[in-house]
Amino acid sequence: EAQVTQNPRYLITVTGKKLTVTCSQNMNHEYMSWYRQDPGLGLRQIYYSMNVEATDKGDVPEGYKVSRKEKRNFPLILESPSPNQTSLYFCASSLWGGDGANVLTFGAGSRLTVL
Amino acid sequence: KNQVEQSPQSLIILEGKNCTLQCNYTVSPFSNLRWYKQDTGRGPVSLTIMTFSENTKSNGRYTATLDADTKQSSLHITASQLSDSASYICVVSAGTNAGKSTFGDGTTLTVKP
Repeated sequence: EAQVTQNPRYLITVTGKKLTVTCSQNMNHEYMSWYRQDPGLGLRQIYYSMNVEATDKGDVPEGYKVSRKEKRNFPLILESPSPNQTSLYFCASSLWGGDGANVLTFGAGSRLTVL
Repeated sequence: KNQVEQSPQSLIILEGKNCTLQCNYTVSPFSNLRWYKQDTGRGPVSLTIMTFSENTKSNGRYTATLDADTKQSSLHITASQLSDSASYICVVSAGTNAGKSTFGDGTTLTVKP
């Protein structure tokens, strides 16, 4: 089944303890992206990747890191999590990120709580 | 600054009724506009996608329209069902950097029996 898989789905951690949220897609998509969603706010883009070894900042990149060493994986790294990073995180991918019609396939979401 | 504004913020309708959701954007230059449906606690799912030259696109009971001149889009839902209860999100991509998308805050639709 074509899908985007995120892990963990739920995580409670403490301030300053490094964590990684993994994202993997099995559709051979070039484009991958991370978003956070907070109550009352829309989805906001954190980082995106147009292809392997090509990453760029979205609208809210502060406090996050990403890497794209393989086409299928795009992990989101929180080096020193803080409570304001408590949020629902979504990973998404699409065939390509270029101009034109690029439909995103989203993962099921990862709910992160930082105490 | 690229912006996408959706209205209304929330909407309650009775099962079987029609409704229309609005999306206004200031993203420039325009590349494409997408409507997504997001059930509570789940990832968004694509409904329609339109490029500059497309005015209307349908997906079952969902019909999206696009007016590139006025920078407005609408999503019309016909004969609503209880399962249509969800958040509907308008997303616009800019032609200069299609990797970045601007998301609207969504319209929360509740369909009551």
